[in-house]
Amino acid sequence: DQQVKQNSPSLSVQEGRISILNCDYTNSMFDYFLWYKKYPAEGPTFLISISSIKDKNEDGRFTVFLNKSAKHLSLHIVPSQPGDSAVYFCAASPPGTYKYIFGTGTRLKVLA
Amino acid sequence: DGGITQSPKYLFRKEGQNVTLSCEQNLNHDAMYWYRQDPGQGLRLIYYSQIVNDFQKGDIAEGYSVSREKKESFPLTVTSAQKNPTAFYLCASSKQGWGGETQYFGPGTRLLVL
Repeated sequence: DQQVKQNSPSLSVQEGRISILNCDYTNSMFDYFLWYKKYPAEGPTFLISISSIKDKNEDGRFTVFLNKSAKHLSLHIVPSQPGDSAVYFCAASPPGTYKYIFGTGTRLKVLA
Repeated sequence: DGGITQSPKYLFRKEGQNVTLSCEQNLNHDAMYWYRQDPGQGLRLIYYSQIVNDFQKGDIAEGYSVSREKKESFPLTVTSAQKNPTAFYLCASSKQGWGGETQYFGPGTRLLVL
């Protein structure tokens, strides 16, 4: 039972264009969401987070959007750069717990 | 320069052998975690510790053991009971271990079975 789903295993985008990575979840009680970026053979690096009380959070080229009614969040990267090529994981936290439930990841390739 | 270190980067295990993966952090974080990543899967929680001398099982704790004798250190032992240990193991930490905190990850250890 996958509670956090990233249905696109891979995505290719031209340099300078927008990358949109999607994440769906099943538990409406999740109250905190994070996005991580991961290069091969390295640990994930925290990118951006959003609380369930917000619908948007922005940090430089990265913006996360949360649609609670659709149980959907997305990460927008504008403009995309070749260095953004990595695997991106979304993670969700049930309230009152220490846990994060991770999606399976989306491999982003930014083409120069 | 604060961070999380994991060693070794690669580890080989023989059949029936226990191996221990090291995780050290100098971020002064109370909480530490161990995750396992398999190809095409998300990170799955093995064990978690919120304070020294206390830890709880995660979703896939069978075949693993941990200790938390010091705040900075959270070693993971992969025992011979773990029948499919080949994976990428990630250690993480957060300030207090409450929901909503950002978890910071180490570089990982890849465990391979000979």
